[in-house]
Amino acid sequence: QLQLQESGPGLVKPSETLSLTCTVSGGSISSNSFYWGWIRQPPGKGLEWIGSMSYSGKTYYTLSLKSRVTISVDTSKNQFSLKLSSVTAADTAVYYCARHKIWGNFYPNWFDPWGQGTLVTVSS
Amino acid sequence: QSALTQPASVSGSPGQSITISCTGTSSDVATYDYVSWYQLHPGKAPKLMIYDVSNRPSGVSDRFSGSKSGDTASLTISGLQAEDEADYYCSSYTTTTTLVLFGGGTKLTVL
Repeated sequence: QLQLQESGPGLVKPSETLSLTCTVSGGSISSNSFYWGWIRQPPGKGLEWIGSMSYSGKTYYTLSLKSRVTISVDTSKNQFSLKLSSVTAADTAVYYCARHKIWGNFYPNWFDPWGQGTLVTVSS
Repeated sequence: QSALTQPASVSGSPGQSITISCTGTSSDVATYDYVSWYQLHPGKAPKLMIYDVSNRPSGVSDRFSGSKSGDTASLTISGLQAEDEADYYCSSYTTTTTLVLFGGGTKLTVL
């Protein structure tokens, strides 16, 4: 059974870079049918997709965050990572990683499974 | 682009049925069948409940069903149980630069 687990610092200072890793177990990250994505949920707010990446390195990001986001994949460790630069308090959120079903060139579909999420607080 | 529109809350008694709506536009829900629904319990991993508008993943109770009419997708839960109390989010592909849209979320209370 495929499982995902997020890890990384729970506290990041304003203007610094948020870095999280998602470890995939129970299956290989090297799949042609799936991307690997990040979603976040600020306290008291809804879900927001950040971006997704294929194991071969093709990435798609939501435009509002694109200038600050980098997603990378390490197939040797069966992990993928998120970096979000120049963070502010508005980036405080629970960050989830998930496997992302993609059709065709890039028709994003469902997310499954998800990690449990990790709270990242941006504060000095 | 704004999130898909969901009611903030719905409620029902055990055994009853409820429906959560998810309204989009011609850029997303109205045109594409890439609509999915997720159940969020506090402290737990979100769970995929419905994909491609009306398909249920293996292991999801058949009390959960999905449908779509025009620009509005719906999640129906029949035979409500206490364990169904959670937040529910819809999601859709969008042709805008956002690419993936989520709804604002609906809190389901089982009375």
